[in-house]
Amino acid sequence: QSALTQPPSASGSPGQSVTISCTGSSSDVGGYNYVSWYQQHPGKAPKLMIYEVSKRPSGVPDRFSGSKSGNTASLTVSGLQAEDEADYYCSSYAGSNTVFGTGTTVTVL
Amino acid sequence: EVQLVESGGGLVQPGESLRLSCAASGFTFSRSWMHWVRQAPGKGLVWVSRIKSDGSGIAYADSVQGRFTISRDNAKNTVYLQMNGLRGEDTAMYYCAASPGGVGAFDWGQGTLVTVSS
Repeated sequence: QSALTQPPSASGSPGQSVTISCTGSSSDVGGYNYVSWYQQHPGKAPKLMIYEVSKRPSGVPDRFSGSKSGNTASLTVSGLQAEDEADYYCSSYAGSNTVFGTGTTVTVL
Repeated sequence: EVQLVESGGGLVQPGESLRLSCAASGFTFSRSWMHWVRQAPGKGLVWVSRIKSDGSGIAYADSVQGRFTISRDNAKNTVYLQMNGLRGEDTAMYYCAASPGGVGAFDWGQGTLVTVSS
């Protein structure tokens, strides 16, 4: 039950794009198309941004997109806005459990 | 709209017990897997436990196996987490999460804070 690996931080200027990676194994990310991404602002509950690798829930801007290749999933935020500054976590179904990523703090410069 | 309201958190001493509750509304509770996820102060999200829609398929993180018990009452639209033998490292915000939209697609409550300290 090891955490998925994410870079601790990422940054970009308003209007730019930032991509966050999420690396697991064939037992989680690589084995299932059940990767999700969550945004968390300080003091707030997480919010679902992407599910099943690349699907967006209703109300999530299309600036947010997800993909997966092998054991690594990615979240791309295009056209960065100030309100995108937050912590982002990936997660993956792993059969007998769910595993979260280590988290990435996105800073809008 | 999915609504999840956790309760039952508080300050307890090491070795004591707590029972968390999560009242759900806005979706078909009896068809949704339910989860508990925790977040220690300043740390990341950690999955704790899961229970499938019919009460089967119960699973726990290794760190709580044998101490925590998840259960649900589909008649009351409520999921519970019984926490026994609490330790300092169990101190965290505990979130209830539902996945009515699919495996792993969590909707979240606002959390309830559990503090274990003497």
